[in-house]
Amino acid sequence: DAGVTQSPTHLIKTRGQQVTLRCSPISGHKSVSWYQQVLGQGPQFIFQYYEKEERGRGNFPDRFSARQFPNYSSELNVNALLLGDSALYLCASSRYASGGSPYEQYFGPGTRLTVT
Amino acid sequence: GQQVMQIPQYQHVQEGEDFTTYCNSSTTLSNIQWYKQRPGGHPVFLIQLVKSGEVKKQKRLTFQFGEAKKNSSLHITATQTTDVGTYFCAVYNFNKFYFGSGTKLNVKP
Repeated sequence: DAGVTQSPTHLIKTRGQQVTLRCSPISGHKSVSWYQQVLGQGPQFIFQYYEKEERGRGNFPDRFSARQFPNYSSELNVNALLLGDSALYLCASSRYASGGSPYEQYFGPGTRLTVT
Repeated sequence: GQQVMQIPQYQHVQEGEDFTTYCNSSTTLSNIQWYKQRPGGHPVFLIQLVKSGEVKKQKRLTFQFGEAKKNSSLHITATQTTDVGTYFCAVYNFNKFYFGSGTKLNVKP
C-alpha cells in the first residue's frame, strides 16, 4: 500500500509569493494534519482536517490556510511568503482523532520550501 | 498552549551503551506518543501511551508513562548504529498536536 505522498518535494519561492503544497493520505485515512519543521526543531502543528472540516489550528498567521477534498487529499496554502517560512512542511494522515486519544500519525516525506 | 519539554537535547553514546530521553509537562497529559526521525527523513510513529504508569516494550525500546501522567521516557538498551536519529514525544490535546523539541541520538560504532 502507498504511504502518504506529498508534492512537490522541493520548492523555491521569492518573498511575497504564494505557494500551494499537496498531500495524499494513506487509503482509508480520513484525517490530515499539516506541520512546519524548521531545521533542528520539532514539528509545529499548523492544521488538522477531517471530512473536509478544520478540526484544529495551530498558532500560525492567517497567511496559512488549508483545505481537504472529498477524496481526503489536502492542500496547504501560504500567502505573502516571508523568509521565515522556509522550512520542511510535513503532512500526516491518520484515522480520525475524536478528541480523546488520537491514532498514530503517518508522515509523508515532506516538501522542502525555500523562500529567498 | 500545551508544552512538553524534552531532555537532553543531544546524546552521544558508544554502540552498546544505553540511552534515555525524557519528556516532561507541567500539566497532566491524556496521552503521549513517541516518534523517531532519521537524518533527512520524516517522523515515524513508535508508540502511544495513555494509562498512568503504563510501560510498553518494543524489542530494545522501553516506553514509560509516569504515574501522574506528567512525564514519559524512552529507554533504549544496548544501542546500535541503526538507532541514530532524533526522538520526539508528542501530545494530542484539544485537536492539536504538540511535539517536543526532540533528543538527537548519535551512536559511535
